[in-house]
Amino acid sequence: AQSVTQPDIHITVSEGASLELRCNYSYGATPYLFWYVQSPGQGLQLLLKYFSGDTLVQGIKGFEAEFKRSQSSFNLRKPSVHWSDAAEYFCAVGAREYGNKLVFGAGTILRVKS
Amino acid sequence: DADVTQTPRNRITKTGKRIMLECSQTKGHDRMYWYRQDPGLGLRLIYYSFDVKDINKGEISDGYSVSRQAQAKFSLSLESAIPNQTALYFCATSDSGSPKTEAFFGQGTRLTVV
Repeated sequence: AQSVTQPDIHITVSEGASLELRCNYSYGATPYLFWYVQSPGQGLQLLLKYFSGDTLVQGIKGFEAEFKRSQSSFNLRKPSVHWSDAAEYFCAVGAREYGNKLVFGAGTILRVKS
Repeated sequence: DADVTQTPRNRITKTGKRIMLECSQTKGHDRMYWYRQDPGLGLRLIYYSFDVKDINKGEISDGYSVSRQAQAKFSLSLESAIPNQTALYFCATSDSGSPKTEAFFGQGTRLTVV
């Protein structure tokens, strides 16, 4: 069965430090990959998405992610974290072979310390 | 106004009561979804609908039912609420045809069953 793993439940970084959130997937099909962010009390907002082509994709708010097929990973990165980035981040995977439904990881809660 | 609107935003109900969560959208999308979010579990799909006449169970549909009253409206019902249905519920929409299109989320309904 298809699955998405976000191995880090919580991550704490200092403001201005770099950030990497991990995402691994298990899919028997060509996946389409997404990162969403959920701020407290809010719905989910799309940060970026990967379908094909260049494996490094740029998103909003200064985030980027790199697709590595050999590692079945799609890690999210940001070179310098701001306090407003504190939120919960979800990796999600979809595929036409699975009815175009998104499967989500468990989420990573990011805390930013000043 | 939000593109995907959920009502109510918060609800406390008693065990055994019937409750309906409503979702409406102005994006003109044909696909609509209901997810529930639990800490440490991410978002799990309850039901999804690809058009008004097409409704499908997700991975955790037991104890829930849905109604797609129109292209823009998709309601989730708990026929007899139980405490372990306490969660944050999200409605989402997407355009048809490809998983490449992102899902757009409502702001969520926080449901507490006491």
